[in-house]
Amino acid sequence: DAGVIQSPRHEVTEMGQEVTLRCKPISGHNSLFWYRQTMMRGLELLIYFNNNVPIDDSGMPEDRFSAKMPNASFSTLKIQPSEPRDSAVYFCASSFQVGNTEAFFGQGTRLTVV
Amino acid sequence: GENVEQHPSTLSVQEGDSAVIKCTYSDSASNYFPWYKQELGKGPQLIIDIRSNVGEKKDQRIAVTLNKTAKHFSLHITETQPEDSAVYFCAASKNNNDMRFGAGTRLTVKP
Repeated sequence: DAGVIQSPRHEVTEMGQEVTLRCKPISGHNSLFWYRQTMMRGLELLIYFNNNVPIDDSGMPEDRFSAKMPNASFSTLKIQPSEPRDSAVYFCASSFQVGNTEAFFGQGTRLTVV
Repeated sequence: GENVEQHPSTLSVQEGDSAVIKCTYSDSASNYFPWYKQELGKGPQLIIDIRSNVGEKKDQRIAVTLNKTAKHFSLHITETQPEDSAVYFCAASKNNNDMRFGAGTRLTVKP
């Protein structure tokens, strides 16, 4: 398996624009996580899904952020409208739900909002 | 929710010395404690993990200890090498897979 695949790797956008980050989890994994990493706040859990169902979205900063998982092999994180303070590296990770196992991370998307 | 604290934030050691990173967690229901290593430009990768029914686990130069009563766990790296230089994260998780990370420790191993 190619691991968790995220796209794009880098995104530069202007304030106010919509940004969509994409993630393909490892085949067979049924838990998917979105994290945001900044120098100030470290790795923050934004939302996670079990079997395509959002379980906890309490980490989503505000209504400008939304995440979907329409099927077991694809998830999106959308920011609309984007703001400079959203600049960060966004990671997607996946794991097997049962047994509380290792989360495998993608390479991340570095988002810069100017 | 779970709160994981990690210390120190930076750690510099001489090659061959040992490095210790400590974490505490708040939720007594947490039962899975992984450690991740993150190299520049990459996502975090698991290096070792421990479950709440075990007090210690070792894998070559890396060991992790867990004290459930005190709710703290530690990472020990012996005979450090320059390639051990990276950011290390501890995490805690419950059965629902809600994994929370510490703030990270930047380890520098000087040759």
